[in-house]
Amino acid sequence: GENVEQHPSTLSVQEGDSAVIKCTYSDSASNYFPWYKQELGKRPQLIIDIRSNVGEKKDQRIAVTLNKTAKHFSLHITETQPEDSAVYFCAAPPGGYQKVTFGTGTKLQVIP
Amino acid sequence: EAGVTQFPSHSVIEKGQTVTLRCDPISGHDNLYWYRRVMGKEIKFLLHFVKESKQDESGMPNNRFLAERTGGTYSTLKVQPAELEDSGVYFCASSRLAGGAGELFFGEGSRLTVL
Repeated sequence: GENVEQHPSTLSVQEGDSAVIKCTYSDSASNYFPWYKQELGKRPQLIIDIRSNVGEKKDQRIAVTLNKTAKHFSLHITETQPEDSAVYFCAAPPGGYQKVTFGTGTKLQVIP
Repeated sequence: EAGVTQFPSHSVIEKGQTVTLRCDPISGHDNLYWYRRVMGKEIKFLLHFVKESKQDESGMPNNRFLAERTGGTYSTLKVQPAELEDSGVYFCASSRLAGGAGELFFGEGSRLTVL
């Protein structure tokens, strides 16, 4: 099955700084790479995703980069704000009807 | 469009009792997943339904857990008898595309506390 590793497990940044979270995966068949954000006490929600036919995707202050050769993808948050504080999860579904497994999560704290 | 709904939002039971959690997915979503998050850690996969069929139940911890999805609509997850280590937040998610090739829509979760 798919093995997804996520680093770091915790990350503290000053407001306005950038944050980067990285995930590595094992199954070369994976071609869809989502990032979910879970705020305290709320449901996980998709914030950005990328498919394997592109190397980077950007949406305002967040971006995701993908390196299929090295089997890793990263979430970049620029100009961080306190409301970015949450736990972020990556996933790398193998495709087909296989299960969706998540990375271990990164707790991001943005210090005002 | 209604989102994924879960009931109850919070359940407190004694060890040895039974609890049934319910999930109503988004209408038309054939794929339904159950996950569990314990002590703020990873979102751990439990099982995956495609319509009424169990596609993958490899994440179910043991035979105290039973999931059903009658008629391919809502799903229930029963824990019987509950143990202390079953405490956590149980999330249900649904998707239109199989295998997570598209967005998973999560419910608010059912927090289970076993005393």
